[in-house]
Amino acid sequence: ILNVEQSPQSLHVQEGDSTNFTCSFPSSNFYALHWYRWETAKSPEALFVMTLNGDEKKKGRISATLNTKEGYSYLYIKGSQPEDSATYLCAYYPPAGTALIFGKGTTLSVSS
Amino acid sequence: SAVISQKPSRDICQRGTSLTIQCQVDSQVTMMFWYRQQPGQSLTLIATANQGSEATYESGFVIDKFPISRPNLTFSTLTVSNMSPEDSSIYLCSVADPEAFFGQGTRLTVV
Repeated sequence: ILNVEQSPQSLHVQEGDSTNFTCSFPSSNFYALHWYRWETAKSPEALFVMTLNGDEKKKGRISATLNTKEGYSYLYIKGSQPEDSATYLCAYYPPAGTALIFGKGTTLSVSS
Repeated sequence: SAVISQKPSRDICQRGTSLTIQCQVDSQVTMMFWYRQQPGQSLTLIATANQGSEATYESGFVIDKFPISRPNLTFSTLTVSNMSPEDSSIYLCSVADPEAFFGQGTRLTVV
């Protein structure tokens, strides 16, 4: 059974705080890891697709790192804003599979 | 990228009834995926829908409960049959291109 674990489950920060979440996944036969941002009543939005050990990707104030040898990825948000409030999902693409395996997500709430 | 239109966006249904969820994609795709997220749980794959063949169901999901249609390369439906409160979830359709694109989700409440 392939498990994707995310922590923390939920997080509440003040506007301007920086924060990070963790995603752990099976480290053997790694293929790809995806991060998504999911706001209520909207489609999950792709943030990053990460494939190489040591990858670091950035989109505005959000960045992510990948360690395939130990099976984890971090998502960082610098200077959180209320519009960053959402659930952040990571998903593992198994090498022989066709569909993503998701973690439970980290729900971020940013108050002003 | 793919744009997916999913409907209904939400519904409240009586137990024992059925609900059909529709997804329309703006381009032709080989595989469409149906996911469910129960409260506090992960997005879980229900089945993979291929055009021209029966859907492939994941462990714990059966065709009688979740029949799927895939009449062409841009459209699919998922029916949640004989609903019970445990079926209250968010249902999402998705395509992989290769990153995944999703519909807006259907928030189902069974009372």
